[in-house]
Amino acid sequence: NAGVTQTPKFQVLKTGQSMTLQCAQDMNHEYMSWYRQDPGMGLRLIHYSVGAGITDQGEVPNGYNVSRSTTEDFPLRLLSAAPSQTSVYFCASSLGRIAYEQYFGPGTRLTVT
Amino acid sequence: AQSVSQHNHHVILSEAASLELGCNYSYGGTVNLFWYVQYPGQHLQLLLKYFSGDPLVKGIKGFEAEFIKSKFSFNLRKPSVQWSDTAEYFCAVNRPSSNTGKLIFGQGTTLQVKP
Repeated sequence: NAGVTQTPKFQVLKTGQSMTLQCAQDMNHEYMSWYRQDPGMGLRLIHYSVGAGITDQGEVPNGYNVSRSTTEDFPLRLLSAAPSQTSVYFCASSLGRIAYEQYFGPGTRLTVT
Repeated sequence: AQSVSQHNHHVILSEAASLELGCNYSYGGTVNLFWYVQYPGQHLQLLLKYFSGDPLVKGIKGFEAEFIKSKFSFNLRKPSVQWSDTAEYFCAVNRPSSNTGKLIFGQGTTLQVKP
């Protein structure tokens, strides 16, 4: 199993540009989520999904959209990038919402200038 | 505000020293508790977890943690650290009652082990 994969590893955007961060898992996990990691703040939940076709907002959803058309994929879209979105983004997946370990992808380091 | 707190932001130890990293949370009710480690340039990996049962849990690489419900704490310990333990450590809490699967992370503790 590849586990949780993310592309790209690095990205530089200009303010106002849009892009999609890709996340895929091959473990048949129902639950997937996106976090951002900022220095001194740990990881904060952006959006999550409990299954195909079902998504919901996390702690810091503004400026981001998600969709879940398949069990395997959970892309994160930045509609109009802002410097405040400079961060490291992690995708995670688990078998379920409760009492399950979450497996994290390698991360995408995004810089918005 | 409800939160997860890691009291030590940066810890420097010599090899073979003992380690204890503090983690406190402020949520009532049932919680699931986790410690994740992030080695330089890598993604988060699970060190250990507590869902129920024995409050002393053992994880990978010689790490253990003790859940003390009365103190809302889940401190991470290792009797003798190695240079390869240099990493950032995150405590995280999941509240089953929220039904969201959300992991609430502490700010992280950077551990530097000197050879």
